[in-house]
Amino acid sequence: DIVMTQSPATLSVSPGERATLSCRAGQSVNSNIAWYQQKPGQAPRLLIYGASTRATGLPARFSGSGSGTEFTLTISSLQSEDFAVYYCQQYFDWPLTFGGGTKVEIK
Amino acid sequence: EVQLVESGGGLVQPGGSLRLSCAASGFTVSSNYMNWVRQAPGKGLEWISVIYAGGITYYTESVKGRFTVSRDDSNNIVYLQMNSLRAEDTAVYYCARDPGRNFWNGYFDHWGQGALVTVSS
Repeated sequence: DIVMTQSPATLSVSPGERATLSCRAGQSVNSNIAWYQQKPGQAPRLLIYGASTRATGLPARFSGSGSGTEFTLTISSLQSEDFAVYYCQQYFDWPLTFGGGTKVEIK
Repeated sequence: EVQLVESGGGLVQPGGSLRLSCAASGFTVSSNYMNWVRQAPGKGLEWISVIYAGGITYYTESVKGRFTVSRDDSNNIVYLQMNSLRAEDTAVYYCARDPGRNFWNGYFDHWGQGALVTVSS
């Protein structure tokens, strides 16, 4: 299985600041990475696929980058609604696997 | 509007069985790859199964031989039959749609609200 490692586990950020979340794959997954946001008590929401393509309706403050084994999700200016847990997922190989998540909390 | 609604969760004893349903609207489940993803309490996400548009199924190793995914095309429902349940199967189970129509993408653009399955004596 491809292990996905996210860092940091928790990120404390002030509203309006930039947040940079990392995801590392145990082997190359090309650009077959998606990012999801999950708020307490809710289902995950697709943010990014293909490492850098924003899902329909996603604000431009969210951006994804990377290829191979190193990926980044950047939120350029955090809004109150962005405080949540973020997961990366690889779909290069079976089984599909997720990272352990990064919790973005208010500083 | 695409909607996925899970049902059938509940409390079951170890070794027991449960069947989850995922009722879809706004699209046809037979045209998309439909997945089940679970989340243990306070933990991350774990993909467990997919049913292809063509009916082929795949499972993660930990549920192979115990879980079966199927589809009722006439009612637009996807099922997850779970047998020989263990305490470690306790989780919220989500059905999730792959956006590709008749082709596989590998990510999930719509999710249900989840169904809680608790395995305990």
